[in-house]
Amino acid sequence: KNQVEQSPQSLIILEGKNCTLQCNYTVSPFSNLRWYKQDTGRGPVSLTIMTFSENTKSNGRYTATLDADTKQSSLHITASQLSDSASYICVVSAGATNKLIFGTGTLLAVQP
Amino acid sequence: EPEVTQTPSHQVTQMGQEVILRCVPISNHLYFYWYRQILGQKVEFLVSFYNNEISEKSEIFDDQFSVERPDGSNFTLKIRSTKLEDSAMYFCASSVLFLSNQPQHFGDGTRLSIL
Repeated sequence: KNQVEQSPQSLIILEGKNCTLQCNYTVSPFSNLRWYKQDTGRGPVSLTIMTFSENTKSNGRYTATLDADTKQSSLHITASQLSDSASYICVVSAGATNKLIFGTGTLLAVQP
Repeated sequence: EPEVTQTPSHQVTQMGQEVILRCVPISNHLYFYWYRQILGQKVEFLVSFYNNEISEKSEIFDDQFSVERPDGSNFTLKIRSTKLEDSAMYFCASSVLFLSNQPQHFGDGTRLSIL
């Protein structure tokens, strides 16, 4: 069964600190892996998309890594800001139809 | 920046009633999707739509559900006879091309509450 697991479930950090969120997946056939940010009451917003051959991709203060052998990904946030408080969702795209399989998300709270 | 817009933002409906959720995808996008998120749970794929046809649907998308692109701009999800368990946030998404490196752009959702 296709699954995407994330850890931790929630995380509290101080403004200015860095953090790393983890994602493990068992999805076949794998197409690509995406990280989305979802603010409370809003739709998910794409941060990064990585295909099988990409190991790392950055988008500003967000850096995602992908290890396709171990089926693991991470999202690293540097110099966190209050506006980073949101749910971060790991999403794996499966097969030819690009169907998205969502993880449960990590709820990040950045405190002043 | 172009956005996917969804209306209404909140819909309250009696069980057994029909409901239509509306979406206006980004204008040059060709692929359209519906997802749902039950409170406290992960987002789940419902259906994808291209060239006026369903490309793929999940097992959630049973005969009570239907999708339509009635004109050049709107994309709708109809639930024929709503059940209590249909209460959820419903997200519409669109993408410009069907390529693995293309993001799906999401609307802010319609919160459906079935009484």
